[in-house]
Amino acid sequence: EVQLVESGGGLVQPGRSLRLSCTASGFTFGDYAMTWFRQAPGKGLEWVGFIRSKGNGGTTEYAASVKGRFTISRDDSKSIASLQMNSLKTEDTAVYYCSRGRPFDYWGQGTLVTVSS
Amino acid sequence: DIQMTQSPSSLSASVGDRVTITCRASQGISNYLAWYQQKPGKVPKLLIYAASTLQSGVPSRFSGSGSGTDFTLTITSLQPEDVATYYCQRYDSAPFTFGPGTKVDIK
Repeated sequence: EVQLVESGGGLVQPGRSLRLSCTASGFTFGDYAMTWFRQAPGKGLEWVGFIRSKGNGGTTEYAASVKGRFTISRDDSKSIASLQMNSLKTEDTAVYYCSRGRPFDYWGQGTLVTVSS
Repeated sequence: DIQMTQSPSSLSASVGDRVTITCRASQGISNYLAWYQQKPGKVPKLLIYAASTLQSGVPSRFSGSGSGTDFTLTITSLQPEDVATYYCQRYDSAPFTFGPGTKVDIK
């Protein structure tokens, strides 16, 4: 059974950093691109960024709203995708989801990040 | 960047009604279009991909059509459990933009 479990969310002050993890199981993690999405309270879905599989170069792409502040990485040996978030802003407050592949058939349950002083 | 729009933004229909939601891309995206259902407080669920392919386990009352810039999600007979917000999403290339969503409830 495919499972994606996000962790690392919490309350953080503006300007600080936070690192989210997405732990995968039930599939060959290294074969898939991994993507992060987010959803601000009461708002719609927003794509954050993704990392390609190593076989496709392992490169990353980011939404304009987070480019230069967020970094996605992957550890295929541990089946973990990570989202390093720096210089956090109040508008980054959201539930963050990870998903696999394209189209995005499996999603984790999400982890809430609250950026507030 | 390609923009995604949806209409209507919300609708109210009776059980058994046929419901249609429209999604439009500002530029052609071939058939790289997915539809998601998100119930309140829940994780988005993939319903349809490649514009018209039903994801495994999704009831057959859901269907999708379209190509290029204009797409449609149809629920042939609305059920109480279909109350949700529906999003379209392009996935031809990044950024994988979503439409603003269509909120569906029961009249």
